[in-house]
Amino acid sequence: AQKITQTQPGMFVQEKEAVTLDCTYDTSDPSYGLFWYKQPSSGEMIFLIYQGSYDQQNATEGRYSLNFQKARKSANLVISASQLGDSAMYFCAMRGETGNQFYFGTGTSLTVIP
Amino acid sequence: KAGVTQTPRYLIKTRGQQVTLSCSPISGHRSVSWYQQTPGQGLQFLFEYFSETQRNKGNFPGRFSGRQFSNSRSEMNVSTLELGDSALYLCASTLGDRGPEKLFFGSGTQLSVL
Repeated sequence: AQKITQTQPGMFVQEKEAVTLDCTYDTSDPSYGLFWYKQPSSGEMIFLIYQGSYDQQNATEGRYSLNFQKARKSANLVISASQLGDSAMYFCAMRGETGNQFYFGTGTSLTVIP
Repeated sequence: KAGVTQTPRYLIKTRGQQVTLSCSPISGHRSVSWYQQTPGQGLQFLFEYFSETQRNKGNFPGRFSGRQFSNSRSEMNVSTLELGDSALYLCASTLGDRGPEKLFFGSGTQLSVL
């Protein structure tokens, strides 16, 4: 069975500081994909970053980077130089080897303080 | 390119009624997935359609059904509404045949059952 765990219900970060949002996963699939999405109060889910299970290097997308530790089954999101617009819910998600079903964590609410 | 469009944005229904939600995917995308988001259960997978066929199904009762048309537009129907069906219903699309693609989400339909 696939499972995503996000243990931080809420996080605060000072503007311009970096923050790490934790995500651990469980799967028996040899191949899988890990995703992070941002959900502002408007409700739309916005894709941030993707990491494939066989990717050798950690993924980066602008201010977002994914700290992927396969042996520990963790895929933490690092946001550098936080901005007020980063305040939102952040979801870690996984897609298994087959099918197009995504499994989501419970999310972390990030608040950026001026 | 237009994004994923969901209509209506808000719906208010009473118990026992039925409701139909609509989703138009990004042009060229043939896979449409539906997710239910509630504060208690988080994001849960309902089903996925690809080329007019249901390809995956989550663990929801038969009151939840869907279909996909030849132009890839999809509808989701919930019959005999219950209070617990109050949720944000998110639709997402992908090409559907390219491995672990990211989901492109719509803004969702907020359903309130009174």
